[in-house]
Amino acid sequence: DTGVSQDPRHKITKRGQNVTFRCDPISEHNRLYWYRQTLGQGPEFLTYFQNEAQLEKSRLLSDRFSAERPKGSFSTLEIQRTEQGDSAMYLCASSGTAPNEKLFFGSGTQLSVL
Amino acid sequence: AQSVTQPDIHITVSEGASLELRCNYSYGATPYLFWYVQSPGQGLQLLLKYFSGDTLVQGIKGFEAEFKRSQSSFNLRKPSVHWSDAAEYFCAANAGGTSYGKLTFGQGTILTVHP
Repeated sequence: DTGVSQDPRHKITKRGQNVTFRCDPISEHNRLYWYRQTLGQGPEFLTYFQNEAQLEKSRLLSDRFSAERPKGSFSTLEIQRTEQGDSAMYLCASSGTAPNEKLFFGSGTQLSVL
Repeated sequence: AQSVTQPDIHITVSEGASLELRCNYSYGATPYLFWYVQSPGQGLQLLLKYFSGDTLVQGIKGFEAEFKRSQSSFNLRKPSVHWSDAAEYFCAANAGGTSYGKLTFGQGTILTVHP
């Protein structure tokens, strides 16, 4: 068990640029979640996948955000035309599909939009 | 709307003192409840969870939490704090079932431990 990996750890970009983050879940986990955490706040749910199917998206996930999990393994989160308000920590978590399985969180990708 | 509230943004205690972190929830039905800890550069780590049954739940690192339905609270406690407990603590809830991984978090409480 190597844990949930996120890459990069930090990303600095200019407003208007596109960015993409990657999450590698624990290998046997079918479910994958994305959360966003802004300074001084708790994480907020963005979206989740079961295998390659995106089953739910929060209204926080604007049209500029897109998440994929093409082969049911790693996932990517892309933000197009970044805005300063997108600056946050983006967290990924994974779990199995048994009822009430524990979520394992990655260390996150810290995005700073200048 | 479903919400989780942690009234204390920052708490400071002396090492060896007891600790209580407050958490209140607002949900249509009794949710599943959790406490997580986050240290700088680390992922969120689950301390304990409550689904049903005994209202006093034990977790890792010597933490416990008590569910009080009448007060819509799920406060975290530790009898004697260690310097390594300094971190940010988050209370969270979900509606269970297929929403299990869709957590609603509180704003967090930063714990500082003085020697």
